[in-house]
Amino acid sequence: GEDVEQSLFLSVREGDSSVINCTYTDSSSTYLYWYKQEPGAGLQLLTYIFSNMDMKQDQRLTVLLNKKDKHLSLRIADTQTGDSAIYFCAERAGNTGKLIFGQGTTLQVKP
Amino acid sequence: GAVVSQHPSRVICKSGTSVKIECRSLDFQATTMFWYRQFPKQSLMLMATSNEGSKATYEQGVEKDKFLINHASLTLSTLTVTSAHPEDSSFYICSAIRQASNYGYTFGSGTRLTVV
Repeated sequence: GEDVEQSLFLSVREGDSSVINCTYTDSSSTYLYWYKQEPGAGLQLLTYIFSNMDMKQDQRLTVLLNKKDKHLSLRIADTQTGDSAIYFCAERAGNTGKLIFGQGTTLQVKP
Repeated sequence: GAVVSQHPSRVICKSGTSVKIECRSLDFQATTMFWYRQFPKQSLMLMATSNEGSKATYEQGVEKDKFLINHASLTLSTLTVTSAHPEDSSFYICSAIRQASNYGYTFGSGTRLTVV
């Protein structure tokens, strides 16, 4: 079946790097995504990675994919207070195209 | 590009009434839209997949007669919560995928439904 797991909470100091981890089970996933959700708002696509890539960098964001271990991570460099939010990892199920979400990781950035 | 507009953003209704939520893709055609439900501090639960011109595909455990989905055009899908009860209070979010796109499911801003 399809399942996505994330740690629930991460606290960092402003200026430090944040690393949010995610594991998934569907080996046929084609794309994996990171979304950001601020309180009371919808989801904002941060970045995505195709399943045949190992790494993708976009400004302060770095995504690492270990397909063998089915492990995905999101690194945010120089974390700012504005980065405080819930971050969702999601996989696009290979056979249905549905997005399966993790539980979300609440990132708390302390000044 | 790729903007999805969801309305209303917030609605309070009385038990027993019905509420319609709209999801529009503003600058692209969306053959497929998805409806999610999110409980406080929890993840998004996929309720149904809405395909233009055909019946929606509901996830296991989601009542079809309770949550009516209509996708009459390539830019509009609606979710109607019928005979709403307090346990239907939740945050409902739609998303749309651009036709023939391989990435970038765009999400609406969500609708906070409170049933009193």
